Amino acid sequence: GENVEQHPSTLSVQEGDSAVIKCTYSDSASNYFPWYKQELGKRPQLIIDIRSNVGEKKDQRIAVTLNKTAKHFSLHITETQPEDSAVYFCAARMYSGGGADGLTFGKGTHLIIQP
Amino acid sequence: DGGITQSPKYLFRKEGQNVTLSCEQNLNHDAMYWYRQDPGQGLRLIYYSQIVNDFQKGDIAEGYSVSREKKESFPLTVTSAQKNPTAFYLCASSAMTGLHEQYFGPGTRLTVT
Repeated sequence: GENVEQHPSTLSVQEGDSAVIKCTYSDSASNYFPWYKQELGKRPQLIIDIRSNVGEKKDQRIAVTLNKTAKHFSLHITETQPEDSAVYFCAARMYSGGGADGLTFGKGTHLIIQP
Repeated sequence: DGGITQSPKYLFRKEGQNVTLSCEQNLNHDAMYWYRQDPGQGLRLIYYSQIVNDFQKGDIAEGYSVSREKKESFPLTVTSAQKNPTAFYLCASSAMTGLHEQYFGPGTRLTVT
């Protein structure tokens, strides 16, 4: 089955700086890669996702890049703000028009924004 | 925070008892999922269902059971066979077509002593 590894487990950055979180996956058939943000005690919320036919996707201060050959994808947050502090999870899944399998998640990155 | 709900928020049980966690969605999604989250860990897939009256095991199905009698509901039973049942349980749903984005419920924190 799929295996997703995520690094680092904890990331501390100064407010206003950029943060980068990296994930690798094992199954070359995976074609959907979402990123979730989870605040303490709350549900994960999707912040951005990318499909395997795209190399990069941006949404304001957040971007995700995908390298299919190397089987890794990264989350980039620019101009970090205190409200960006949370745990971020990457995930991978193979999906087709006829199926909706579960996600395989990385173990998470605790992002700390220092004032 | 509507759309997908889980109850109760906190649940306490004695060891050896079965317990059922509720998950309901009004998003008209065909697919529903159960994940388990432990401290410092990612989410791990327990069971998922793509259609009523059908479901598949995920990565850690042992000690759990599910049913899918209605499109809106996907209850999870944690049986006494589950060796480490204390965890945060998250239910999710998604459409079977289009973006397939998974929406999560607020979770149930189960403590077994």
